[in-house]
Amino acid sequence: EDQVTQSPEALRLQEGESSSLNCSYTVSGLRGLFWYRQDPGKGPEFLFTLYSAGEEKEKERLKATLTKKESFLHITAPKPEDSATYLCAVQGGSNYKLTFGKGTLLTVNP
Amino acid sequence: GAGVSQSPSNKVTEKGKDVELRCDPISGHTALYWYRQRLGQGLEFLIYFQGNSAPDKSGLPSDRFSAERTGESVSTLTIQRTQQEDSAVYLCASSWTGEGETQYFGPGTRLLVL
Repeated sequence: EDQVTQSPEALRLQEGESSSLNCSYTVSGLRGLFWYRQDPGKGPEFLFTLYSAGEEKEKERLKATLTKKESFLHITAPKPEDSATYLCAVQGGSNYKLTFGKGTLLTVNP
Repeated sequence: GAGVSQSPSNKVTEKGKDVELRCDPISGHTALYWYRQRLGQGLEFLIYFQGNSAPDKSGLPSDRFSAERTGESVSTLTIQRTQQEDSAVYLCASSWTGEGETQYFGPGTRLLVL
């Protein structure tokens, strides 16, 4: 069974203080690893898809990386508007469902 | 273009009543998924539709839950004889196909069972 563990559960940063969120996973035959952002009261908003170890993707202050066992979401010089819950999910094997972690709640203080 | 839409956005019901939740996927997306998000928990897969194939119902928690999809368009999730533990946000997502494709989520329906 696919499993995803995200850490830390919560992270509080000062504006401009860079950090990383971790997503550890076990999956049989990775089809894709997905990062989403979720704001309170809203549905998850797609950020990145990674397909193979060594792959990296960037968008504004965010950069996602992937190894065979984990993914990192690096946040460079965050701003208060980056505050949200960040979700990691995997799709693997013969299933098309996503298996999600519980998320990391990021708070960026001005 | 338009994203995934869901209705109602909020639903309050009494224990034992039936509820029906609706999802309109992104036009052209052949795959449609339902997930449940309970407070403090990760999203849980419920059911997956792909074109005219038989749906994957492996995530439905009990026989009180059922879902239908009309062709490659609207889907409805029905919960019969609701229980308090059914209180959650029900999220719908769609993708072009199933394999490795990004799933785009709707805003969700917040269900509260009293």
